Amino acid sequence: NAGVTQTPKFQVLKTGQSMTLQCAQDMNHEYMSWYRQDPGMGLRLIHYSVGAGITDQGEVPNGYNVSRSTTEDFPLRLLSAAPSQTSVYFCASSYSHPLAGGRIGELFFGEGSRLTVL
Amino acid sequence: AQKVTQAQTEISVVEKEDVTLDCVYETRDTTYYLFWYKQPPSGELVFLIRRNSFDEQNEISGRYSWNFQKSTSSFNFTITASQVVDSAVYFCALSGLNDYKLSFGAGTTVTVRA
Repeated sequence: NAGVTQTPKFQVLKTGQSMTLQCAQDMNHEYMSWYRQDPGMGLRLIHYSVGAGITDQGEVPNGYNVSRSTTEDFPLRLLSAAPSQTSVYFCASSYSHPLAGGRIGELFFGEGSRLTVL
Repeated sequence: AQKVTQAQTEISVVEKEDVTLDCVYETRDTTYYLFWYKQPPSGELVFLIRRNSFDEQNEISGRYSWNFQKSTSSFNFTITASQVVDSAVYFCALSGLNDYKLSFGAGTTVTVRA
């Protein structure tokens, strides 16, 4: 059972560099999302997607891009990394179909990707 | 706008003590979901419970119990007879019934000492 897989687990970037955090899920979840976790601030939603071809902004979208070409994959792109983007990033997916019943809205998280921008 | 407040930043207890984590929320929605997640030192986030706003019954699962009070917009979490393995960061979260975008509180770090 792979669940939600994120790569890489650790990354160090220099200011201005770009990179992509990969996220894949094998549970056929329609809903996928990216959060960042910073000390004292909990998890904040960056971008989310309710299905292939559909994405939308969350609470802190600036500096990040996403796309959803397949149900399984939801990559997060940092266009020009800044020290303020140093954080732990989590990808999460969930059941969103009404037939999911009691599991609807329950998020399944990846293991996280720790990013440091120098 | 939705907001979740976990006023307790850190709680430290001795094993076998009970610990209660407070969660207060704000939302304009009349129907919504409330959640608790656990993040142990290994870093992964684990779903604990989902409660919808229709159901104000308290819930117990082993040593865990949850008290939902709509009148005070609170969804508190109690660990009874705490164990060292309960040491983690616990997050309370809120979403609309149909949008699945969770808003998280800042988290409460629980340390259980042997």
